[in-house]
Amino acid sequence: EAGVAQSPRYKIIEKRQSVAFWCNPISGHATLYWYQQILGQGPKLLIQFQNNGVVDDSQLPKDRFSAERLKGVDSTLKIQPAKLEDSAVYLCASSLFEITAMNTEAFFGQGTRLTVV
Amino acid sequence: AQTVTQSQPEMSVQEAETVTLSCTYDTSESDYYLFWYKQPPSRQMILVIRQEAYKQQNATENRFSVNFQKAAKSFSLKISDSQLGDAAMYFCAYRPPIKRGQNFVFGPGTRLSVLP
Repeated sequence: EAGVAQSPRYKIIEKRQSVAFWCNPISGHATLYWYQQILGQGPKLLIQFQNNGVVDDSQLPKDRFSAERLKGVDSTLKIQPAKLEDSAVYLCASSLFEITAMNTEAFFGQGTRLTVV
Repeated sequence: AQTVTQSQPEMSVQEAETVTLSCTYDTSESDYYLFWYKQPPSRQMILVIRQEAYKQQNATENRFSVNFQKAAKSFSLKISDSQLGDAAMYFCAYRPPIKRGQNFVFGPGTRLSVLP
């Protein structure tokens, strides 16, 4: 079974530039998450999708961050314009969603390390 | 809002010895799920072990086991016979019941070093 795919693995941009990250979840996983992980901290949820609908984007800085999941499969996360404090690892994860499912852990990609200079 | 606390930023253990990582959480739910994830330098988060709150029996996975104290809202991870490959960041995570959404809340992590 293929895992969660993310690209790129590394990105360096100047502040005020824009950047986009891509994620392809595990086939059949209806739920997709984007997390921001600042160095030395735990992952923080940015946005959660259920199929192509947004479930939770309460912690997404909507003035500069946007995300979409067209057709309920892969997803892109965009930052425009980037700030120095956006330097972090951006993790994508996916999970099953079935009402009777138990133990539906999240499966993670390898993340994108963003450096804003 | 649910919170997860890991009070040990760093821990070290001698190879082949046993180490326990602490985690506490806050929730008003009675049914939920708890996880320990490992994050090596490659950044890939890997599931180590999971526990359903309705189960009283502590979960075990080979050298990894948990001590789940529901009343105290405590969920510690014990690693037995520590190996050099166990060195990584360890994150405790909480997931609410499905009816409350599926957001995973992570603690700040514990960096584990394994000494040869």
